[in-house]
Amino acid sequence: GQNIDQPTEMTATEGAIVQINCTYQTSGFNGLFWYQQHAGEAPTFLSYNVLDGLEEKGRFSSFLSRSKGYSYLLLKELQMKDSASYLCAVRDYGGATNKLIFGTGTLLAVQP
Amino acid sequence: EAGVVQSPRYKIIEKKQPVAFWCNPISGHNTLYWYLQNLGQGPELLIRYENEEAVDDSQLPKDRFSAERLKGVDSTLKIQPAELGDSAVYLCASSLAGAYTGELFFGEGSRLTVL
Repeated sequence: GQNIDQPTEMTATEGAIVQINCTYQTSGFNGLFWYQQHAGEAPTFLSYNVLDGLEEKGRFSSFLSRSKGYSYLLLKELQMKDSASYLCAVRDYGGATNKLIFGTGTLLAVQP
Repeated sequence: EAGVVQSPRYKIIEKKQPVAFWCNPISGHNTLYWYLQNLGQGPELLIRYENEEAVDDSQLPKDRFSAERLKGVDSTLKIQPAELGDSAVYLCASSLAGAYTGELFFGEGSRLTVL
């Protein structure tokens, strides 16, 4: 079966650091993505991990452990504009190209 | 460079009526996807095209939903007849095969309300 779990909601304070966890069980694995989605807008790409370890991109970092089926997204120096839903998605083997399976998303609220 | 374009942005119809959504992917992207997103949920794949071929339509309710991608560029998703439970956002996305990450680029979506 295929299952992607992430917390439904999180709250954090402006300027702080927050970690959003994602665990997955899929029949195959060919990469993990994090997307950001503001209310009423399209999901936008944040990060991609295919090998174990940490990928850093500015204030955002993403970690992957394939043996544990686990990833996290780390957001530093939180800003009010970071309030959004964060979607974890796994690319499953399903042919030569992408088949992304999304989690339900984590709604992050950044408070002053 | 233009992104993925979808229309209409909003559509309100009564149940049993037909509705169609249109998508123009990023130029050169050969893979096109239609996703359905309910409020508070992640996107769920309906159908995936490689050029003009539907390579994964296992989640498409074929009794009422249909899709086409003529000439391997623009795509249309149709619902006939619509039911109350079809109220959702329909997202179109495209990607470039062979790219390192192969991330999906999403359109802003078409929000459907069925009354």
